[in-house]
Amino acid sequence: AQSVTQPDIHITVSEGASLELRCNYSYGATPYLFWYVQSPGQGLQLLLKYFSGDTLVQGIKGFEAEFKRSQSSFNLRKPSVHWSDAAEYFCAATTGTASKLTFGTGTRLQVTL
Amino acid sequence: EAGVTQFPSHSVIEKGQTVTLRCDPISGHDNLYWYRRVMGKEIKFLLHFVKESKQDESGMPNNRFLAERTGGTYSTLKVQPAELEDSGVYFCASSQSGRWYSHFGAGTRLSVL
Repeated sequence: AQSVTQPDIHITVSEGASLELRCNYSYGATPYLFWYVQSPGQGLQLLLKYFSGDTLVQGIKGFEAEFKRSQSSFNLRKPSVHWSDAAEYFCAATTGTASKLTFGTGTRLQVTL
Repeated sequence: EAGVTQFPSHSVIEKGQTVTLRCDPISGHDNLYWYRRVMGKEIKFLLHFVKESKQDESGMPNNRFLAERTGGTYSTLKVQPAELEDSGVYFCASSQSGRWYSHFGAGTRLSVL
């Protein structure tokens, strides 16, 4: 069955520190991959997406993600975290246009000052 | 451009009652999706409309859930009668035809007591 796994439920980092959120997928073929963020009281906002091509993808708010086919991973990174990055982050995948997304369980990020 | 709008933002009902959730997609988006997140679990797909037609309703939990999309515009999701396990956050998302990514609303938090 197709699945997306986010191994870390909760991560705490200090402001200014680097961040890496893990995401692994299990699909028959390489899916299309996404990272969404949900801040309190807000909807899910698309951070970045990977369809094909360059395996390092740049997104909004200074985030980037690297697709690694050999590891079935799509980890999200940020060099220096800001307090406003505290939110819940979701990795998701789909196999085609206008297809349903399969989500991971989410990683809640806490940022300490 | 207005985003995906969901109403109400929070609903508290008693077991056995009926609740109707509404979603207004971004204007011009043919694809409309409903997802649900039960506490502590991943966001799960419920169903997908293309205009007014149900394209995929494989994620609907049971026949207590009824979704409609009037004239291919807004959509409603009715739960009748509500059970305790229906509690969670219901997300709506929409996308343009041929697009890979969806825009999400802020969600409706449903609490069944």
